[in-house]
Amino acid sequence: NAGVMQNPRHLVRRRGQEARLRCSPMKGHSHVYWYRQLPEEGLKFMVYLQKENIIDESGMPKERFSAEFPKEGPSILRIQQVVRGDSAAYFCASSPPSQVYGYTFGSGTRLTVV
Amino acid sequence: GQQLNQSPQSMFIQEGEDVSMNCTSSSIFNTWLWYKQDPGEGPVLLIALYKAGELTSNGRLTAQFGITRKDSFLNISASIPSDVGIYFCAGPGGGSRLTFGEGTQLTVNP
Repeated sequence: NAGVMQNPRHLVRRRGQEARLRCSPMKGHSHVYWYRQLPEEGLKFMVYLQKENIIDESGMPKERFSAEFPKEGPSILRIQQVVRGDSAAYFCASSPPSQVYGYTFGSGTRLTVV
Repeated sequence: GQQLNQSPQSMFIQEGEDVSMNCTSSSIFNTWLWYKQDPGEGPVLLIALYKAGELTSNGRLTAQFGITRKDSFLNISASIPSDVGIYFCAGPGGGSRLTFGEGTQLTVNP
């Protein structure tokens, strides 16, 4: 039973490029969460999605960031026109509908903007 | 917004020692979670607490939900080298999201 799968593990982008981060939830999990972790800090909530729906995007920056969780395929976190301050570890987590907290995290994507 | 304060920020201990760390909240929580993060990995849930005063163990780890509902404690007994990592407390941040503390970095010297 595979865990939450994120790819790529490491991503390097030049300023102004686009970054696409993918997350495949655990089997049977229909809820996906994205968190961001800056160096030496805790995780900060970004967005909560269910299949084809954004439930809570209160932690997402208003510009350049978007997320989706299509009916088929992984959840995607997209960052357009990346800047140095976007450099961070981005973690995805998933849970079944019956579980509100204590969800399972993936190993993260470490984005470096040069 | 809600804030979680973890202390200490870092700990350096000898193998075999016991460890204690805590987390305080600016508001009342109905759930407390403790996670461990190894270098280069995502957080892994260690213990979940759902009731004030609750004391829960997971192997050498014991966590308590404070009776004021504004704090929680994590204790690790007889530490071993693989206990090295960052320990985070977390609590409900509204809706289904979690608010995390800033973490306690634990180093265990053999």
